[in-house]
This record gives sequence, C-alpha cells and structure tokens, in this order.
Amino acid sequence: GAVVSQHPSWVICKSGTSVKIECRSLDFQATTMFWYRQFPKQSLMLMATSNEGSKATYEQGVEKDKFLINHASLTLSTLTVTSAHPEDSSFYICSAIPGGAYSYEQYFGPGTRLTVT
Amino acid sequence: AQRVTQPEKLLSVFKGAPVELKCNYSYSGSPELFWYVQYSRQRLQLLLRHISRESIKGFTADLNKGETSFHLKKPFAQEEDSAMYYCALTVKAAGNKLTFGGGTRVLVKP
Repeated sequence: GAVVSQHPSWVICKSGTSVKIECRSLDFQATTMFWYRQFPKQSLMLMATSNEGSKATYEQGVEKDKFLINHASLTLSTLTVTSAHPEDSSFYICSAIPGGAYSYEQYFGPGTRLTVT
Repeated sequence: AQRVTQPEKLLSVFKGAPVELKCNYSYSGSPELFWYVQYSRQRLQLLLRHISRESIKGFTADLNKGETSFHLKKPFAQEEDSAMYYCALTVKAAGNKLTFGGGTRVLVKP
C-alpha cells in the first residue's frame, strides 16, 4: 500500500529557532500533499495544501511566512516552522494523494511532535 | 464553509454490543463523506468512503442527505475496535481538502 513517512518523528527546539519537517511518499508520486496540525485531544486542522511545482495554498488564519511549505519534488514536501514559539508546539501531520485524475484517498504520515522550549 | 460535527467525544461499550458513532455535516452541495480511524500509536487511515457503500471490519455507514448525517455503525463491537474515529468531508471543488470532525474515542470493554 501507499506509505507516507515523516522526519523527524519528534523534535525539540528553542524559542526563536526554525525547524524543518519532511514528508515523503515512499512508493508513489504525490502531486498534492496536505499539512495538518493537531493539538492534544483535538482533531486535525488543515494548515495548507502543498502542490508540486507551485506555491502552497494556506488556510485562513495560517501565517504563510511562519509556516513555509516547499513541495520540491513529487515525493517530498517540507514544512519549516520559522522563529518558533512555545505556542507552535503541536503535532504536525502530513498526507499525500497518489497522482491520477480520480485519486481521492489521502495517505497519512505518522506525524511529527514539535516541542518549543 | 463546510463543517463536520461528532457530538460524542467518548463511546464506551461492552464487547459484542452494537456501537454507533454519530456524524453530522453542513454543506449546501454534494460532499463526499469518509470515516477515518486511528488505532493507538498508529497513523490515521481510511475506514470507509460513502460512495463505496461497503462494509469494512464490520462497519457500515449510510449517507442521509435529508438529515445531513453519516453515522458509523457496527452491530457487534470487538475489543480491537477501540480507537479514535474521525468523520471527514471533502468537496471536489475544494481540491480534495478534508474537513474533520472533532473525533470520537471508542472504548470496547471486555
């Protein structure tokens, strides 16, 4: 089946620094990837849609300059949290849709836990 | 904008008992509805899609457009069904973006 990986699985960074999270589709090409944020005991909130070769589309209320998304290839999207603050601490999850006009199923990564101290 | 509501945060049932997870949505058009499941320490995975009209692991879900509901049911719950369940909606015009409900934790007791 389609597998999506994320790296790292857990990261701790100091306030004011930047951290990059990778999302890879291991056995398929993904023209579209999504980034979600999940707070403890809450549901997933879509942050942005990442399209290969074009700019990401951010959801309302998500700061594009703070959460930089790059979809450099058909198997890799990265999320960089810039100038991180403790309130950015959260669980970040990516998903990917295999290519094809009728593709709809999103395959999810295992998530990355970010802790900002 | 579309919205998905799961009114129960926690459902606790005994093994062998029926379980029903409620999901209501708001969207004026024709959405696609899904149920996703997340077992302990595992990633989110698709359980059911309304268009498929299939039964997976004994679970079924029927889309009721009149009541804008997509409730998930299983007649005889098993301990391995204990997990977090999310109802989600997507609209093709929105590029397959998923809107998730708040989730329902199901605990099946022996």
